[in-house]
Amino acid sequence: DADVTQTPRNRITKTGKRIMLECSQTKGHDRMYWYRQDPGLGLRLIYYSFDVKDINKGEISDGYSVSRQAQAKFSLSLESAIPNQTALYFCATSGTDVNQPQHFGDGTRLSIL
Amino acid sequence: QKEVEQDPGPLSVPEGAIVSLNCTYSNSAFQYFMWYRQYSRKGPELLMYTYSSGNKEDGRFTAQVDKSSKYISLFIRDSQPSDSATYLCAMRRDSNYQLIWGAGTKLIIKP
Repeated sequence: DADVTQTPRNRITKTGKRIMLECSQTKGHDRMYWYRQDPGLGLRLIYYSFDVKDINKGEISDGYSVSRQAQAKFSLSLESAIPNQTALYFCATSGTDVNQPQHFGDGTRLSIL
Repeated sequence: QKEVEQDPGPLSVPEGAIVSLNCTYSNSAFQYFMWYRQYSRKGPELLMYTYSSGNKEDGRFTAQVDKSSKYISLFIRDSQPSDSATYLCAMRRDSNYQLIWGAGTKLIIKP
């Protein structure tokens, strides 16, 4: 089984809908991240969490919210989806040592019509 | 101007060739430099990690950092079709956990 699991893998929805993307991990890491990936722009950080009670905004948090339900679970919500939020979304985890790499899930491809 | 620039490619080379992938950056505060590999429909995975300037070698892969030129490189020797992927550079300031990413270079190794 994958260490970092994202659900769903694909989602098509309409403008204005509320959407939740879920991430769970079995790596035992405290730190979790949500990124979006757009062609030509690379990965951009949306939110990150260093533990269950610590949540921080990233570079592009507007229009998104997150919930850290447990050490192993970190969900991303789009309260009212808009077409320019169409992208590939990745969840990642890392240990507390700043030198440790981030481990990624396989992503959710989200299309908003 | 983006903080990290990376040519999107695609870069197409024959099997066995030496591949050179590069990123330039504008912020002299970056200290940690990483290369991630991303296969289609998969998340990025860490390939190489370097602190400050210098070279680091791991099998067929060599990462090089030139802080004076604000330029990092990844070399792949004896390239294989299985190396076909998108290669992303990422970097971080010394005391800031946030990674800044390049847009990725798509590499194609032709058999």
